[in-house]
Amino acid sequence: AQSVTQPDIHITVSEGASLELRCNYSYGATPYLFWYVQSPGQGLQLLLKYFSGDTLVQGIKGFEAEFKRSQSSFNLRKPSVHWSDAAEYFCAVPMNSGYSTLTFGKGTMLLVSP
Amino acid sequence: DTEVTQTPKHLVMGMTNKKSLKCEQHMGHRAMYWYKQKAKKPPELMFVYSYEKLSINESVPSRFSPECPNSSLLNLHLHALQPEDSALYLCASSQDQGVYGYTFGSGTRLTVV
Repeated sequence: AQSVTQPDIHITVSEGASLELRCNYSYGATPYLFWYVQSPGQGLQLLLKYFSGDTLVQGIKGFEAEFKRSQSSFNLRKPSVHWSDAAEYFCAVPMNSGYSTLTFGKGTMLLVSP
Repeated sequence: DTEVTQTPKHLVMGMTNKKSLKCEQHMGHRAMYWYKQKAKKPPELMFVYSYEKLSINESVPSRFSPECPNSSLLNLHLHALQPEDSALYLCASSQDQGVYGYTFGSGTRLTVV
């Protein structure tokens, strides 16, 4: 079965600094990959998605992610973090080839310091 | 309308109660999902409805009973729950292929006492 791994449980970044959240995938073919964000007590919001083509994907709220097949990674980046970006971030991939259901990584909690 | 609406936002119920969670979307999405999320954990899939038919049940106990009355509505009926069932219950919808991404509701925070 396909899966994703988020190696960092939590990360603290200073406001205005750059951010990179890591996601590694296990997938037999070219994967569909997603990043979601969840604010406390809220549902998940889709930030961006990768299907194929251009390996640098732009998303909402100034986020981008780069698909690197050689490293089996799909890391999320933002050049300048705002305090409102503090949230839980989940990487996701379809559970099985041909299925539409997503499985999520364990998440990375982003803390933003003043 | 680009939202998934879940009601109620909070629910406290006793172990002998029967209650229902509701989910509604008007985006024309033909797949709808129930996920359960415990604190500091990722969402875990419970059920998938595709074209109003139950297509996936992830070995969920029978005290959780899903229902899809029409293409816009998804219910989760709860009966004889246990305290460990306390969690955030998330509804999501997608076009017929979820690979285009889900739209999530804001969830129902359920506490079983």
